[in-house]
Amino acid sequence: AQKITQTQPGMFVQEKEAVTLDCTYDTSDQSYGLFWYKQPSSGEMIFLIYQGSYDEQNATEGRYSLNFQKARKSANLVISASQLGDSAMYFCAMREREEYGNKLVFGAGTILRVKS
Amino acid sequence: GAVVSQHPSRVICKSGTSVKIECRSLDFQATTMFWYRQFPKQSLMLMATSNEGSKATYEQGVEKDKFLINHASLTLSTLTVTSAHPEDSSFYICSAQGSWATNEKLFFGSGTQLSVL
Repeated sequence: AQKITQTQPGMFVQEKEAVTLDCTYDTSDQSYGLFWYKQPSSGEMIFLIYQGSYDEQNATEGRYSLNFQKARKSANLVISASQLGDSAMYFCAMREREEYGNKLVFGAGTILRVKS
Repeated sequence: GAVVSQHPSRVICKSGTSVKIECRSLDFQATTMFWYRQFPKQSLMLMATSNEGSKATYEQGVEKDKFLINHASLTLSTLTVTSAHPEDSSFYICSAQGSWATNEKLFFGSGTQLSVL
């Protein structure tokens, strides 16, 4: 069963505008973690932001914020003031049981293209 | 921040040969390392979990005799693709985990593009 769903295969955004990348997840665990990673064409995986299931505040890291709606099981990534360098593949991932360590399950990804 | 080094970044080999990929944690001790495989424009698929000093745990459908994983020290894990064939061509990427306190930031290597001719 698919545990992480990213419904947007590709997105376009105008430079300097904000964009929201969708992510929904499925788990029966009470304790879990949600991650967003950026993968540019070079292939490296760049950590962007993390949200723990017990965190009451939405996570923020600079221009990145995570819109965590626990009841809806969604963890959307919001990128504010988009830059050309934001063009990349973005993955949402989930860590379930802590005893599995950081065994992450990834979504299918969303390709973001920032237009000048 | 924590750094994970992966080598080589790119390798081309002939069919039937074996290829070794190294994943090193440079400034922390990695008790667990994870190996992923990624096809073009697709997601990362976990292949195996590697714990220092013990046998790797492979995901369903991953041939353990084909993809040999060794985690001999707290800073090094290796993935050996044995008797590689063109269908093994893919992007392989590792990630490393230190203590539980750092689980918020799982760091990845830069990946290895394997091309088997």
